[in-house]
Amino acid sequence: AQSVAQPEDQVNVAEGNPLTVKCTYSVSGNPYLFWYVQYPNRGLQFLLKYITGDNLVKGSYGFEAEFNKSQTSFHLKKPSALVSDSALYFCAVRDGPNSGYALNFGKGTSLLVTP
Amino acid sequence: DVKVTQSSRYLVKRTGEKVFLECVQDMDHENMFWYRQDPGLGLRLIYFSYDVKMKEKGDIPEGYSVSREKKERFSLILESASTNQTSMYLCASTSGGSSTEAFFGQGTRLTVV
Repeated sequence: AQSVAQPEDQVNVAEGNPLTVKCTYSVSGNPYLFWYVQYPNRGLQFLLKYITGDNLVKGSYGFEAEFNKSQTSFHLKKPSALVSDSALYFCAVRDGPNSGYALNFGKGTSLLVTP
Repeated sequence: DVKVTQSSRYLVKRTGEKVFLECVQDMDHENMFWYRQDPGLGLRLIYFSYDVKMKEKGDIPEGYSVSREKKERFSLILESASTNQTSMYLCASTSGGSSTEAFFGQGTRLTVV
């Protein structure tokens, strides 16, 4: 089965500094990768996805992610963090047709941006 | 604006009760999903449906069932609620293509006492 791993439970960043939230994947074939954000007691909001093409994908709220095939990674990045970026971030990979193309999620990384 | 709506934000139920969680989407999506979210475990797939009246087990179906009588509505049923089913439940939908993102409801936080 397709899977992703988020090696960090929590990432702390000062406001204005660049941030990176890490994700690695394990798939057979070409991966379809996604990032979602969750604010407290809310559902998940889509940020961006990699399907094919450019390795640098731009998404919502100034976020971007870099697909690296050799390192099997899909790290989420932002050049300058905001306090309002503090939330729970999930990386996900699309599974195959036998699961209705469900998303398989990592365990999530809590991002804390301090003023 | 696309929407996935879950009927309740918060629910408190007693052990042994039958519990219904409702989800409605307005995007004419074929595929719908129920996940549960627990701290440190991420999201785990309970059931999914790729068409009306069709349902398939996900990774953790035990203790749950689902119903999809109409394309826009996907219900999760806890046949006899137990305390270990206390969790956040998230509904999602997506169109049939594998490259499309999933849209999520706001979640239902269920507490079983």
